[in-house]
Amino acid sequence: GQQLNQSPQSMFIQEGEDVSMNCTSSSIFNTWLWYKQDPGEGPVLLIALYKAGELTSNGRLTAQFGTTRKDSFLNISASIPSDVGIYFCAGQFRGGSQGNLIFGKGTKLSVKP
Amino acid sequence: EPEVTQTPSHQVTQMGQEVILRCVPISNHLYFYWYRQILGQKVEFLVSFYNNEISEKSEIFDDQFSVERPDGSNFTLKIRSTKLEDSAMYFCAVVEGGGPYNEQFFGPGTRLTVL
Repeated sequence: GQQLNQSPQSMFIQEGEDVSMNCTSSSIFNTWLWYKQDPGEGPVLLIALYKAGELTSNGRLTAQFGTTRKDSFLNISASIPSDVGIYFCAGQFRGGSQGNLIFGKGTKLSVKP
Repeated sequence: EPEVTQTPSHQVTQMGQEVILRCVPISNHLYFYWYRQILGQKVEFLVSFYNNEISEKSEIFDDQFSVERPDGSNFTLKIRSTKLEDSAMYFCAVVEGGGPYNEQFFGPGTRLTVL
């Protein structure tokens, strides 16, 4: 089946640093979504991207939909301790009832105060 | 962001037993999904549900699994005869009617432990 390659697998950074993570795929997606998951909880939607080349921000988070539609990155600026968690990218071919998400394996972010 | 509630939060069962996991809908939820996440691994799609029928299902969703939403009530995932490898977090996800149909919002999950 389709696979997303998400990197890095984990990151240990100092508070205040910027973070970048990305996902690549051999398949073309119509939508890219980025989620954050805290331990024992469900994924929380951070950003949704709909068009190739689209750059979208949500506070300190910025994500881009790659022009080839096969990749996406997420940047977090000026990290804070509550940014700790696992970040997942997810690709989607269609929306609605046919819109099952294909997830990456996640990037585990640790922030040292 | 729509609120998605799941019950129970944690279910412990013996191998071979049937379990029913519930997703509590709100009236304007349009599309429903079940995903699972084995501990430490990525989230995997199981099934999508729209207009009271299955739209799409993955290879994981075999004959041991079923979903239903009787009379517009809770959206349920039933595992007929649980196996040890069914131990995982199970997440319900929804798409809101009138919202972007690509954006899925996840519930807090049910942790299923099969002994």
